Amino acid sequence: IVMTQTPLSSPVALGQPASISCRSSQSLVHSDGNTYLHWLQQRPGQPPRLLFYKISSRFSGVPDRFSGSGAGTDFTLKISRVEAEDVGIYYCMQATQFPWTFGQGTKVEIK
Amino acid sequence: QVQLQQSGPGLVEPSQTVSLTCGIFGDSVASYTASWHWVRQSPSRGLEWLGRTYYRSRWYYDYAESMKSRITINPDTARNQFSLQLSSVTPEDTAVYYCIRQTYCSGGYCATCGGDCYYDHWGQGTPVTVSS
Repeated sequence: IVMTQTPLSSPVALGQPASISCRSSQSLVHSDGNTYLHWLQQRPGQPPRLLFYKISSRFSGVPDRFSGSGAGTDFTLKISRVEAEDVGIYYCMQATQFPWTFGQGTKVEIK
Repeated sequence: QVQLQQSGPGLVEPSQTVSLTCGIFGDSVASYTASWHWVRQSPSRGLEWLGRTYYRSRWYYDYAESMKSRITINPDTARNQFSLQLSSVTPEDTAVYYCIRQTYCSGGYCATCGGDCYYDHWGQGTPVTVSS
């Protein structure tokens, strides 16, 4: 399954919203009825970390300015008001079908 | 608190085998509520899932099809760790390698956990360069 993210780069002013789109080449609905679409954040020099699993389930410690949505093949990660600590690269990944695959990443930077 | 501590060589010659280890602290490699993965990251290939192992009455292994002929993931219950061996390496295998825990509920499978299974802990990453 090919995961395609847009945009690849997103310069955003502090306090402004940001939105990242992720599209899969086929439906991510698993035979068990769940959609294994996850979002990861990678800050400079660090391993990726989980933000959302199953499209919109927020992982522990993730601020509520982040939200995940979507269904089927189209998914979105939104940041309602970008803060300095949000700088990094954001990845969507699918764990519905082997091999699990990742998007190319979207770089969020402060304008 | 779960921690994954990676170790392994930073430089490997072409055609050789690279061996990386992931030490597990705060959990067990044979846990019924975890599976253990390797993912790598490079500028040219991005993030790439390599494979996983987990224990549910016996050991299970899943590998990326593109890697199957060269990859082995081995759990080590005595040392509470798991390893990655990648043979016949080329410069294309130059990447940062991460070990990761995927966590589950007591049901032990994504389907029996309402789909609540996810990557919650990553190792620090091991940069591996393939060069002579």
